[in-house]
Amino acid sequence: GAVVSQHPSRVICKSGTSVKIECRSLDFQATTMFWYRQFPKKSLMLMATSNEGSKATYEQGVEKDKFLINHASLTLSTLTVTSAHPEDSSFYICSAVEGAGSPLHFGNGTRLTVT
Amino acid sequence: GDSVTQMEGPVTLSEEAFLTINCTYTATGYPSLFWYVQYPGEGLQLLLKATKADDKGSNKGFEATYRKETTSFHLEKGSVQVSDSAVYFCALSRGSGGGADGLTFGKGTHLIIQP
Repeated sequence: GAVVSQHPSRVICKSGTSVKIECRSLDFQATTMFWYRQFPKKSLMLMATSNEGSKATYEQGVEKDKFLINHASLTLSTLTVTSAHPEDSSFYICSAVEGAGSPLHFGNGTRLTVT
Repeated sequence: GDSVTQMEGPVTLSEEAFLTINCTYTATGYPSLFWYVQYPGEGLQLLLKATKADDKGSNKGFEATYRKETTSFHLEKGSVQVSDSAVYFCALSRGSGGGADGLTFGKGTHLIIQP
């Protein structure tokens, strides 16, 4: 079946550096990809919605200059956390969908730790 | 705005017990409703869904019925197994049933099944 690959699964970076997370749809073309952040004991929070070839739409309260999202192709979206701080430490999950009415497929998530 | 409320865990049951995880929602119109499951170390997987009132979603012995009058989508299983131990998320979408418009998640319920 359809698979979404997210890489890396874990990353540790120093405060002030940037880190990139990749999300790939392996056997379908994803017209839309979503990025979520999962806090401990809390819900998944939608950060942004990205459509191939256009700028991402960010949810209220999410800093677009800090969380850069690029959806350059129908199979790849990237999330770059710029100038990371310890409070950015979290579990980030991407999901992808082929089109309206299609099921949403999730990546396995990326555990980011900023020291 | 849209919101999903589900019982907080952890919920601990013995094998073969009956399971109910409550989920209620707030949304205008007629959202689609979902249950996702996250096994340890893995991404979210769609467990079941319902797209209109009185629909019943079912999969792997789990069931949930879309109750518009009580704005609920409670998850049930008649006899749980150790392998059902996971985190369960209730979610809604305003879209056409696939989640292409993004999902609003509940906080998740950690289910622990003891042998």
